[in-house]
Amino acid sequence: SQQGEEDPQALSIQEGENATMNCSYKTSINNLQWYRQNSGRGLVHLILIRSNEREKHSGRLRVTLDTSKKSSSLLITASRAADTASYFCATDVNDMRFGAGTRLTVKP
Amino acid sequence: ETGVTQTPRHLVMGMTNKKSLKCEQHLGHNAMYWYKQSAKKPLELMFVYNFKEQTENNSVPSRFSPECPNSSHLFLHLHTLQPEDSALYLCASSPRGLDSGANVLTFGAGSRLTVL
Repeated sequence: SQQGEEDPQALSIQEGENATMNCSYKTSINNLQWYRQNSGRGLVHLILIRSNEREKHSGRLRVTLDTSKKSSSLLITASRAADTASYFCATDVNDMRFGAGTRLTVKP
Repeated sequence: ETGVTQTPRHLVMGMTNKKSLKCEQHLGHNAMYWYKQSAKKPLELMFVYNFKEQTENNSVPSRFSPECPNSSHLFLHLHTLQPEDSALYLCASSPRGLDSGANVLTFGAGSRLTVL
């Protein structure tokens, strides 16, 4: 069964705007991770947030975690055309399963 | 280069062929994974190996046969595939169990399979 499910399925914004993607999961977790995939390539790990953390930053990325709602969000600030990719979340339960991802398009 | 190498990058095969996908990692990881990614579908976890032992087989058809001879190498043997098996096959490795609570996956670039 899927663990991470991303929302929205697709998001299109202008360069410079912020992009927010959401992830919901179903069971208790130890940590949640976000990955990025450029078209036709492998996934790349972006950031990990542990269950006892509520917010984490890495460069232009900000991740929040709400364990009571079993949800997480990924915020990309000041987006660039190079941020165009698919973004996935995954939890550490049941062997790192991913959802369908959010397809982000950043228009120059 | 991520440290996980997949070959071949592209493969075209007929339904009666037998071929293999190869994955190799030099990261000192003990777990290796095969995922299938079809267009507009979630990533499907196919197989998981931990210390060379298969720990997960998600109802994958027997025409896909994994092999893990050691912690650094993983194969996916393919035979009598169907056109719907055409997809991007991704290999990943992780330090699962070596560092509790930090099972971060490193992916290869993928093998694009087309079944005619």
